[in-house]
Amino acid sequence: DADVTQTPRNRITKTGKRIMLECSQTKGHDRMYWYRQDPGLGLRLIYYSFDVKDINKGEISDGYSVSRQAQAKFSLSLESAIPNQTALYFCATSVGIAVAETQYFGPGTRLLVL
Amino acid sequence: GQQLNQSPQSMFIQEGEDVSMNCTSSSIFNTWLWYKQDPGEGPVLLIALYKAGELTSNGRLTAQFGITRKDSFLNISASIPSDVGIYFCAGAGNTGKLIFGQGTTLQVKP
Repeated sequence: DADVTQTPRNRITKTGKRIMLECSQTKGHDRMYWYRQDPGLGLRLIYYSFDVKDINKGEISDGYSVSRQAQAKFSLSLESAIPNQTALYFCATSVGIAVAETQYFGPGTRLLVL
Repeated sequence: GQQLNQSPQSMFIQEGEDVSMNCTSSSIFNTWLWYKQDPGEGPVLLIALYKAGELTSNGRLTAQFGITRKDSFLNISASIPSDVGIYFCAGAGNTGKLIFGQGTTLQVKP
């Protein structure tokens, strides 16, 4: 089984709809992250969480919110989806020992907002 | 904010050729990581570098952490078709957050 799983893998939604992307991990890591990937822009950080009670905005948090329900679960919500949120979304985890650490990525969720 | 410039943006090479790509930063990093992304999947770590000047190999891959701590390169020797994908550099400072380059798309012609 994969260590970091994301659901759904693909989603098509309409402008204005609320949508939630979910991430679960079995690695036992404290730190979790949400990124979006757009062609030619690499991965950009949306939100991150260093433990269950910690939530931090990343580079591009506007229009997004997150919830860290447990150590193993970190969900990303789009309260009112818009077309420029069409992208590939990745969840990642890291151990939480060192300041700068290797991150392990899920398989991604491809989101299309019409 | 911190930015990474990764080049080249894309490469189309013949099987067996060597490949080189690099990343430069406007600020100092403490860690450099190189990831590969296969189509339809998430990035997977290839090499991690933690010390300025460090040169590390992983099979046909070699990466170096620049002395100035503002750059890193990745070399792939004797490329094969399964090397196809997008390669990302990522740097981290003292915040624990990774900053990613824009990616290098590699295509290998058999």
